[in-house]
Amino acid sequence: GAVVSQHPSRVICKSGTSVKIECRSLDFQATTMFWYRQFPKQSLMLMATSNEGSKATYEQGVEKDKFLINHASLTLSTLTVTSAHPEDSSFYICSARDLAGFKKTQYFGPGTRLLVL
Amino acid sequence: KNEVEQSPQNLTAQEGEFITINCSYSVGISALHWLQQHPGGGIVSLFMLSSGKKKHGRLIATINIQEKHSSLHITASHPRDSAVYICAVFWAVRETSGSRLTFGEGTQLTVNP
Repeated sequence: GAVVSQHPSRVICKSGTSVKIECRSLDFQATTMFWYRQFPKQSLMLMATSNEGSKATYEQGVEKDKFLINHASLTLSTLTVTSAHPEDSSFYICSARDLAGFKKTQYFGPGTRLLVL
Repeated sequence: KNEVEQSPQNLTAQEGEFITINCSYSVGISALHWLQQHPGGGIVSLFMLSSGKKKHGRLIATINIQEKHSSLHITASHPRDSAVYICAVFWAVRETSGSRLTFGEGTQLTVNP
């Protein structure tokens, strides 16, 4: 079946540094990718919708200058957490929608656990 | 009020038991997902439903569009079924002419040997 990969799976960084997370659709093309954030014991919260070749759409309350999203190709989207702070520590999950979007199938990546010290 | 509500929030069962997790939603939807999230965090899509019933192995998912309700059943449960099960619905967002996936808060299932 369709696979979405994320890299890295886990990252620990110092406060003030930037961290880039990659999301790739491995065997299908995705015009739309989604970035979610999940705190412990909570459900996924949509941060932004990433469309190939255009600017991402951010959810209310999500700082676009802090969470930079680039969707450079039909198989790759990146999320960069700029000037990370401890409160950015979380589990980040990307999801990709099959190009045949009428199927309404979303595939989820394995997630990236970010710890900011 | 959350647009997607799951019950129960936590469920503990003995190996072999039949398990049911329920999902109710308040918006008109085009499709519903049942997802499984293991302790490591990775999410697997179990089913996508827009009507009726689907079966995969020991898992069965049903949906009643009129009643805005879906259930996930696990027959002959096993400790490896222990995970968080999440219901998520696709619904149209009029303002953006797109569709959005909205998640329930999940049901933590623990199956004891």
